[in-house]
Amino acid sequence: AQTVTQSQPEMSVQEAETVTLSCTYDTSESDYYLFWYKQPPSRQMILVIRQEAYKQQNATENRFSVNFQKAAKSFSLKISDSQLGDAAMYFCAYRSAEQAGNNRKLIWGLGTSLAVNP
Amino acid sequence: GAGVSQTPSNKVTEKGKYVELRCDPISGHTALYWYRQSLGQGPEFLIYFQGTGAADDSGLPNDRFFAVRPEGSVSTLKIQRTERGDSAVYLCASSLRARGPYNEQFFGPGTRLTVL
Repeated sequence: AQTVTQSQPEMSVQEAETVTLSCTYDTSESDYYLFWYKQPPSRQMILVIRQEAYKQQNATENRFSVNFQKAAKSFSLKISDSQLGDAAMYFCAYRSAEQAGNNRKLIWGLGTSLAVNP
Repeated sequence: GAGVSQTPSNKVTEKGKYVELRCDPISGHTALYWYRQSLGQGPEFLIYFQGTGAADDSGLPNDRFFAVRPEGSVSTLKIQRTERGDSAVYLCASSLRARGPYNEQFFGPGTRLTVL
């Protein structure tokens, strides 16, 4: 079974600085998707960035980028120029690729609480 | 609608009671998912629908939990004989399709269930 591990329960960053959140995962599959979701106090999960395992290029979305190391099964999130609105819980999630039958569920880590200090 | 909506936002019930939680997916989304998020945890998968049928219900913890999606749109998660351990935030998500490039799951704000 696949597992996702986030080893940093809490992180903090100064406004305008850069922070990296760690995520490792375990799987025997060769094709899959990885995601970072943000969950503010409103509880609504918001997709931050996604990575397809067969793509070697790291995904980037504005101030958010990932460092995807497939061999090491590592998928870290870098937030540049941190803003107060970035403060939230961040979850790393895994999903099998389509050829893995009906397995469409997301498998989640425990999350990292990010504080942004003004 | 503009996004996934869930009702009620909060539900307080007593141990042993029956509850229903409702999810309205984004219009046109064929896939719908239910997750449960306990305090301090990441979400855990419960069940996934493709259209009207449950394609994967492997995450339902026991037979007190049941979900339906009779017309392939709105879904209801039903919990019988609630227990204090059922207290959690129940998240619903939908995606345009379950496979292919349009498989991003969009989440609702969740229903916080408290069992006293």
